[in-house]
Amino acid sequence: AQSVAQPEDQVNVAEGNPLTVKCTYSVSGNPYLFWYVQYPNRGLQFLLKYITGDNLVKGSYGFEAEFNKSQTSFHLKKPSALVSDSALYFCAVRDGGSQGNLIFGKGTKLSVKP
Amino acid sequence: DGGITQSPKYLFRKEGQNVTLSCEQNLNHDAMYWYRQDPGQGLRLIYYSQIVNDFQKGDIAEGYSVSREKKESFPLTVTSAQKNPTAFYLCASSIDLGQLMNTEAFFGQGTRLTVV
Repeated sequence: AQSVAQPEDQVNVAEGNPLTVKCTYSVSGNPYLFWYVQYPNRGLQFLLKYITGDNLVKGSYGFEAEFNKSQTSFHLKKPSALVSDSALYFCAVRDGGSQGNLIFGKGTKLSVKP
Repeated sequence: DGGITQSPKYLFRKEGQNVTLSCEQNLNHDAMYWYRQDPGQGLRLIYYSQIVNDFQKGDIAEGYSVSREKKESFPLTVTSAQKNPTAFYLCASSIDLGQLMNTEAFFGQGTRLTVV
């Protein structure tokens, strides 16, 4: 079965510093990976998705993600964090065996301090 | 504006009552989904529908029911059989996956249900 894991419940970063939110995956077949962001009491917003062959994927709001097949990881990164980046971040994978439903990690709360 | 609309934003339910959460999309998407979100547990799939008049149970379907009479609409009913319904409910949609497994899903703004 497909799954994703987000090993950190919370990540704390100072404004202006680089940030990384970690995600590892377990899939059979090709990985279809996504990152979403959620602000308090709001729905999820799509940030970016893995494109086959691109190890560095660029997305919205200056975010990017690094795909590493050997480490089965898809970490979310940003070179310079903003206070407004503080939110809940979810990694997700398509379940190829269940009509492609999205399977989500438990989420990582990012806190960026001034 | 294209998008997914969930209503109401906040809903209060008394013990033993059924309540229905609305989800409408004008994106012409075939697939629609309902997720439940609890703190620290991520999103869990309740029901999904790939086509009108057809839907499938997700991981936590007990105590919930859905219908898909129109492509645009996928309402969720939380029945009295759901013992712990207080949660944040999210509706999503995506195009018919077919060969397009790398297509993203779009989410509504959510409904927060509280049992009083």
